[in-house]
Amino acid sequence: EADIYQTPRYLVIGTGKKITLECSQTMGHDKMYWYQQDPGMELHLIHYSYGVNSTEKGDLSSESTVSRIRTEHFPLTLESARPSHTSQYLCASSSQGITLHFGNGTRLTVT
Amino acid sequence: GIQVEQSPPDLILQEGANSTLRCNFSDSVNNLQWFHQNPWGQLINLFYIPSGTKQNGRLSATTVATERYSLLYISSSQTTDSGVYFCAVEYPQGAQKLVFGQGTRLTINP
Repeated sequence: EADIYQTPRYLVIGTGKKITLECSQTMGHDKMYWYQQDPGMELHLIHYSYGVNSTEKGDLSSESTVSRIRTEHFPLTLESARPSHTSQYLCASSSQGITLHFGNGTRLTVT
Repeated sequence: GIQVEQSPPDLILQEGANSTLRCNFSDSVNNLQWFHQNPWGQLINLFYIPSGTKQNGRLSATTVATERYSLLYISSSQTTDSGVYFCAVEYPQGAQKLVFGQGTRLTINP
């Protein structure tokens, strides 16, 4: 059973604020991913990492940035939040065969 | 890029019914997965099934890679089966990242 944790679960924040969404996994998985999902819609990959010091942009352009300094930690940062960033952000990790294990997600609302 | 199309988009059934969900993809893949997203937003991996058939309790899945489709079968549906079912494929091959379909929303009424 993969353990992957996202905090906060819900976040309501004003326009222009800097935010960091946290994602940690305890399985030692090399690969980690951030997906963005609007309610009831498909998931879009915005960032991924194959390992420490490796980060790549996903298929959907995003103003967010990520870092991978430790294997278990893959935070996502928005320097200046806008209402268009309102969405759910899902973190996932995988080892061999990229069977994804997802966290519970962070529901972000920017007012 | 690859197109991943799921059908039907919505399905409403009574408890105890059986259902078949379909996923078509427009290019060759060697990795396909099915996920269930519950009403609270949690995504659970159901199957890793690049080809062949697998079964897990009341759920089973079949992928016919040569014809570029996969099917998810749910038998004797329960209200807890409600949610959105996604298929996802690895694309490009070897890229180690998944492209998701738009999902099938399943509602099981008591």
